[in-house]
Amino acid sequence: EAQVTQNPRYLITVTGKKLTVTCSQNMNHEYMSWYRQDPGLGLRQIYYSMNVEVTDKGDVPEGYKVSRKEKRNFPLILESPSPNQTSLYFCASSLAGGPIYEQYFGPGTRLTVT
Amino acid sequence: SQQGEEDPQALSIQEGENATMNCSYKTSINNLQWYRQNSGRGLVHLILIRSNEREKHSGRLRVTLDTSKKSSSLLITASRAADTASYFCATVPYSGGGADGLTFGKGTHLIIQP
Repeated sequence: EAQVTQNPRYLITVTGKKLTVTCSQNMNHEYMSWYRQDPGLGLRQIYYSMNVEVTDKGDVPEGYKVSRKEKRNFPLILESPSPNQTSLYFCASSLAGGPIYEQYFGPGTRLTVT
Repeated sequence: SQQGEEDPQALSIQEGENATMNCSYKTSINNLQWYRQNSGRGLVHLILIRSNEREKHSGRLRVTLDTSKKSSSLLITASRAADTASYFCATVPYSGGGADGLTFGKGTHLIIQP
């Protein structure tokens, strides 16, 4: 089944403790991206990647890192999480060319930073 | 930055009725996409309409695009309880195929009363 998977689905952590949210897709998609969703603000893009070893900042990249060492994986790294990063996070993938094609979203990771 | 704005923010109708949601945006677009999100879950792509298209259908869904008014509408006919969800429009700017992501509106929350 074609899908985007994220782990963990739920995470409660404390300020400053480094964490990684994994994202993997099995559709051989070149383009991958991360969004966060907050009440009243909608979805905002954090980072995106056009292909392996090619990443770039989205609208709200501060406090996040990403890497794209393999085509299928695009982990989101929070080196020192803070409470304002409490949010619902989504990974998405699509064919080369990115947003001009439909995006396939993962199920989401609900992160709480205390 | 937020470009798409959905209207209404919330809509409650009886099962079997039609539901219409509108989306307005500010800048020229390559395409406009509609997504559905069931409570707290990942987004599911519904329809993509390109800037040179005026109308598109998919099952019970009909999307129109008016680039002169910078607006789009999503019509769901013969609504079902399972259509209860939030619906988002997302735009891709006309920038020669830029890779930065979709710009989402804040969504319309649709409730179908049985």
